[in-house]
Amino acid sequence: GAVVSQHPSWVICKSGTSVKIECRSLDFQATTMFWYRQFPKQSLMLMATSNEGSKATYEQGVEKDKFLINHASLTLSTLTVTSAHPEDSSFYICSARETGVLGEQYFGPGTRLTVT
Amino acid sequence: GQSLEQPSEVTAVEGAIVQINCTYQTSGFYGLSWYQQHDGGAPTFLSYNALDGLEETGRFSSFLSRSDSYGYLLLQELQMKDSASYFCALPYNFNKFYFGSGTKLNVKP
Repeated sequence: GAVVSQHPSWVICKSGTSVKIECRSLDFQATTMFWYRQFPKQSLMLMATSNEGSKATYEQGVEKDKFLINHASLTLSTLTVTSAHPEDSSFYICSARETGVLGEQYFGPGTRLTVT
Repeated sequence: GQSLEQPSEVTAVEGAIVQINCTYQTSGFYGLSWYQQHDGGAPTFLSYNALDGLEETGRFSSFLSRSDSYGYLLLQELQMKDSASYFCALPYNFNKFYFGSGTKLNVKP
């Protein structure tokens, strides 16, 4: 199957700083990527849909100005958590779907963010 | 909107068969997917059903009944490495996915 990479795999930052997470599709082009958030022992919650060359669309309740998404190329999407606070500590996972393959998406390995 | 219900936890012994059920509600149905996630890892795709019936992939099978808004994942010949969380998921709005709360499978020797 297709491979999605994510970087960094874990990051610790201080409250008030910003953190950027990269998501890359390694062997396919992804016009659309997705960003999820997962708290311990809970489900994946879709935060936003990242669209190449256009603005991201955010799910209800997700702050656009806090979670900045940029999809500058067909293989790269970035999520920047701005002015991070301890409550932003979570597991962030990106995914991508190959065009036409409904029902299957490929997930990155995730980024564990800890805000101190 | 979408909703999914699945059991929170299931325990079975090595070599056994286990079935994880999932019931759903959605305004537009585009199929039901199943994903596996080990602790600390990323979800990996297991199967997808768009039509009624059973899809078999090795030790794992998935079933769908659209009239009952119901599906299940069947794991046979359980191995210790199958201990993980299993999520059913609904594709919606063509591109997005809604995930169930997950079923934690504990496989005991």
